[in-house]
Amino acid sequence: TQLLEQSPQFLSIQEGENLTVYCNSSSVFSSLQWYRQEPGEGPVLLVTVVTGGEVKKLKRLTFQFGDARKDSSLHITAAQPGDTGLYLCAGPSSNDYKLSFGAGTTVTVRA
Amino acid sequence: NAGVMQNPRHLVRRRGQEARLRCSPMKGHSHVYWYRQLPEEGLKFMVYLQKENIIDESGMPKERFSAEFPKEGPSILRIQQVVRGDSAAYFCASSPQGDTDTQYFGPGTRLTVL
Repeated sequence: TQLLEQSPQFLSIQEGENLTVYCNSSSVFSSLQWYRQEPGEGPVLLVTVVTGGEVKKLKRLTFQFGDARKDSSLHITAAQPGDTGLYLCAGPSSNDYKLSFGAGTTVTVRA
Repeated sequence: NAGVMQNPRHLVRRRGQEARLRCSPMKGHSHVYWYRQLPEEGLKFMVYLQKENIIDESGMPKERFSAEFPKEGPSILRIQQVVRGDSAAYFCASSPQGDTDTQYFGPGTRLTVL
């Protein structure tokens, strides 16, 4: 089983501040996905990173895949209360269809 | 386009009862995956099904749990003789094809065992 560790577990910041969430593994992944999950709902896919060193931007969210494809980060610029949620990283196992998830980072943005 | 649908959204059962969780995949998707999310843990893979076939059930407990995806109708995750430790959120995801295809998640069923 390929393990993904996310840090920090909890993050509480003021509106307008920046934040970074990390996803690390000792295993190489062919790709990594980032999801956001709101209370009482299912995970919603934000992005998939595939190439080592890749950087993808989604409005105020910047995703980076490590050169060795073992880690990834999510950076949010000028966070807003609407960014509040549980952020999950996930990667396919050797079987490809079986996603391994990190435990998630709970982000709270205070107005 | 309707997304992945799951029902019920909330299910309360007493110990020893049966729980049936339903999942209707997105239109055109023939691959279904079930995951379980325990409090403060990540989602854990349970089972992968295609129409009328179980492809991989390696994440599913050997006893009391079963899954099916019939030719017609939704996929069903069935838990017999529930215990308190079964309390969790159960998510279904679907994809048009398997392998590395993107999985789209439903809203989940929150099972509470009293």
